[in-house]
Amino acid sequence: SQTIHQWPATLVQPVGSPLSLECTVEGTSNPNLYWYRQAAGRGLQLLFYSVGIGQISSEVPQNLSASRPQDRQFILSSKKLLLSDSSFYLCAWSVQGNRGAFFGQGTRLTVV
Amino acid sequence: SQKIEQNSEALNIQEGKTATLTCNYTNYSPAYLQWYRQDPGRGPVFLLLIRENEKEKRKERLKVTFDTTLKQSLFHITASQPADSATYLCALVMDSNYQLIWGAGTKLIIKP
Repeated sequence: SQTIHQWPATLVQPVGSPLSLECTVEGTSNPNLYWYRQAAGRGLQLLFYSVGIGQISSEVPQNLSASRPQDRQFILSSKKLLLSDSSFYLCAWSVQGNRGAFFGQGTRLTVV
Repeated sequence: SQKIEQNSEALNIQEGKTATLTCNYTNYSPAYLQWYRQDPGRGPVFLLLIRENEKEKRKERLKVTFDTTLKQSLFHITASQPADSATYLCALVMDSNYQLIWGAGTKLIIKP
């Protein structure tokens, strides 16, 4: 069966520090991969999505970037975090067709 | 651009009754419409998907309807239980790249 791993679950980082959140998927090949952000009590904001290795589409211009070095690995990065980057970050995968999207546990990022 | 509207106010339902949540969209009908459940501090969990050419879909106590004329989907939980309390999100799938457009979600509270 397919599983998705996202870590860490919580993270506290100082302003100006770098960020690296990692997400891996098991049990499927060539998935679509997504990074979302969700503010408290709000909906999901799509940050990046990828349909294949090295193929990244950005939805929101900001100080974040994403990379997909392997088929089932998706990384969210920042060189310098801002206070406004504090949020709940979610990784998800899907396959083309009539199936749903499946989410990781999420990372609660607090920038102090 | 496509927009999705879900009732932003919490829905309070007495245990045992049927809960009905609404998802309205503008513009073009999606290829698929999906419903997810999200608990606090967790990622959304896929529940049901309904295709453009389907009127109704059922899964245990869940039922989803899709009316492309009204541009609306209804999500029903019959014989509701306190454990059904959560935020429910709808999402539209518009094209073959499997891009998801998300509603902000409706918080459902089932009172014992």
